[in-house]
Amino acid sequence: EVQLVESGGGLVQPGGSLSLSCAAYGFTFGAYWFSWVRQAPGKGLEWVANIKEDGSEKYYVDSVKGRFTISRDNAKGSLSLQMNSLRAEDTAVYFCARDKSGVGPTKLDSWGQGALVTVSS
Amino acid sequence: DIQMTQSPSSLSASVGDRVTITCRASQSINNYLNWYQQKPGKAPKLLIYGASSLQSGVPSRFSGRGSGTDFTLTISSLQPEDLATYYCQQSSRAPLTFGGGTKVEIK
Repeated sequence: EVQLVESGGGLVQPGGSLSLSCAAYGFTFGAYWFSWVRQAPGKGLEWVANIKEDGSEKYYVDSVKGRFTISRDNAKGSLSLQMNSLRAEDTAVYFCARDKSGVGPTKLDSWGQGALVTVSS
Repeated sequence: DIQMTQSPSSLSASVGDRVTITCRASQSINNYLNWYQQKPGKAPKLLIYGASSLQSGVPSRFSGRGSGTDFTLTISSLQPEDLATYYCQQSSRAPLTFGGGTKVEIK
């Protein structure tokens, strides 16, 4: 069974840093792209970043460029999101999602349960 | 960035009704359009990819159509378990963008 489990959420002050992790089970982790998607309280979905199978390509939404870094460890089957210079508007539930395999368009076909990040003083 | 506009933002329908949700892209995205269902307090679930391909395990009452800029998601016979918010998402180019969502309520 495909399973994604996020960890690392919590409360952080504005300007602070936090790292999220996503552990994958039940499939060949290194064969897929992965995405992070967030959802502010009571709001819609916002794609944040994605990363290619081998980590050689990474893409970000403009609002997090230069502050967030997506990375992966294929040997451990783990995805990460390092978030620096956090702002109140980064407060959201962060989901990791399995993305495409190989070429072709994205489809996020498996999702974790989400990790809540709250940025507040 | 490609903007995705969904309508309506919410709807209320009876069990057994046919429900259609519309999604419009600000520029042509060919058929690079996915639909997701998000039930309250849960992670989203992929329903339709490539505008019209049904994801494995998704009931056949869900269908998608469209190409270019205009797309629809149809639920042929609404069921109580379809209470959820539905999102379209373009996968044509980064940044990937979602529509604002359509909340479906059961009368």
